[in-house]
Amino acid sequence: GAVVSQHPSRVICKSGTSVKIECRSLDFQATTMFWYRQFPKQSLMLMATSNEGSKATYEQGVEKDKFLINHASLTLSTLTVTSAHPEDSSFYICSPRRGGTEAFFGQGTRLTVV
Amino acid sequence: RKEVEQDPGPFNVPEGATVAFNCTYSNSASQSFFWYRQDCRKEPKLLMSVYSSGNEDGRFTAQLNRASQYISLLIRDSKLSDSATYLCVVNTGNQFYFGTGTSLTVIP
Repeated sequence: GAVVSQHPSRVICKSGTSVKIECRSLDFQATTMFWYRQFPKQSLMLMATSNEGSKATYEQGVEKDKFLINHASLTLSTLTVTSAHPEDSSFYICSPRRGGTEAFFGQGTRLTVV
Repeated sequence: RKEVEQDPGPFNVPEGATVAFNCTYSNSASQSFFWYRQDCRKEPKLLMSVYSSGNEDGRFTAQLNRASQYISLLIRDSKLSDSATYLCVVNTGNQFYFGTGTSLTVIP
């Protein structure tokens, strides 16, 4: 399977601060990156889709100014949670897409905002 | 209606038992189907793809019924290490839709 590296795996931050999450596809070029969020006992919910060099497309209900996505290269995408609040505490997972039908995931980032 | 629906469980079964999970999907145009396994606080990992002809991988058997739009996963001879959440995943138009997952605990 593909190698995907996401970090940090866990972060605790104060309310009002920003957190950046990195996702790298180590052995393939990802033209498309999906970012998901998962709350306890719920399924993965798509937040946004980004294509390399283009602006991300956000799902309904996801604030683009709060969740900044940068997909500057084919191997790196970042998600920045700006002015984080406790309700943003969740498990964030990236999924770079290389074509084909299988989905690959980063290890996930558990964000806790206190 | 949700794209993918699963019974969240939990399923608590003794070691050696056979357990089956079902999942339904709403879009008849969906192209690919998968079962993923997710351990607590970890990312989902592919368990197996699901084909109309049915496919088997050791103790795991997956089936797809396109007419009824459901997918199943059968686990035989359950092991303690099978304890996890099993996600039904459907690929529709290059987008993946996830079920809520079914929690399985195998008890000694």
